[in-house]
Amino acid sequence: EPEVTQTPSHQVTQMGQEVILRCVPISNHLYFYWYRQILGQKVEFLVSFYNNEISEKSEIFDDQFSVERPDGSNFTLKIRSTKLEDSAMYFCASLRGGGNTQYFGPGTRLTVL
Amino acid sequence: GENVEQHPSTLSVQEGDSAVIKCTYSDSASNYFPWYKQELGKGPQLIIDIRSNVGEKKDQRIAVTLNKTAKHFSLHITETQPEDSAVYFCAVTDPQGGSEKLVFGKGTKLTVNP
Repeated sequence: EPEVTQTPSHQVTQMGQEVILRCVPISNHLYFYWYRQILGQKVEFLVSFYNNEISEKSEIFDDQFSVERPDGSNFTLKIRSTKLEDSAMYFCASLRGGGNTQYFGPGTRLTVL
Repeated sequence: GENVEQHPSTLSVQEGDSAVIKCTYSDSASNYFPWYKQELGKGPQLIIDIRSNVGEKKDQRIAVTLNKTAKHFSLHITETQPEDSAVYFCAVTDPQGGSEKLVFGKGTKLTVNP
């Protein structure tokens, strides 16, 4: 069964450094999302991406964040200058289009020191 | 925007008992209501969903009910097993914004005691 994959599974970085989180969505899906989950809290929406552009973003998704689909398979989230409060699990999700079901990847645990 | 409340935050049951988790939402235009199970260190996995034109849906031991008038929906797990232990999240598709983004509840940690 096709699944969403994410790399790395765990990223440790120093405050102020740039990080890139990578996702490979399910191949025939058209809508892509990033969510994050701070430890012990609920999953929060960051950004959605469709037709090679951002379709919606939350207040969390400020100028320090960017997303890109550099080729036909990868979907990346970049944080330009990480802060301590960016420490969280980041989940990628994809949706086929014509339906509602979002499929989530296993997540990347980001730790900012 | 959409707001989702989920109760209880923790639930402990004996193996074989039933478990019920409830969620309420705020936007009457919402029309899709999935439930996700999250095991430790893993991503949310869809276990069942329901659309607004249906009042109840069942899949083996799992069922979801929806009351659109009252704006609440519930997850029912019957004959619970230890492997059902996990965190369960309800979610609602936010009709504002047009991207089908999900708004999640805070989660329920279910523990099934053998």
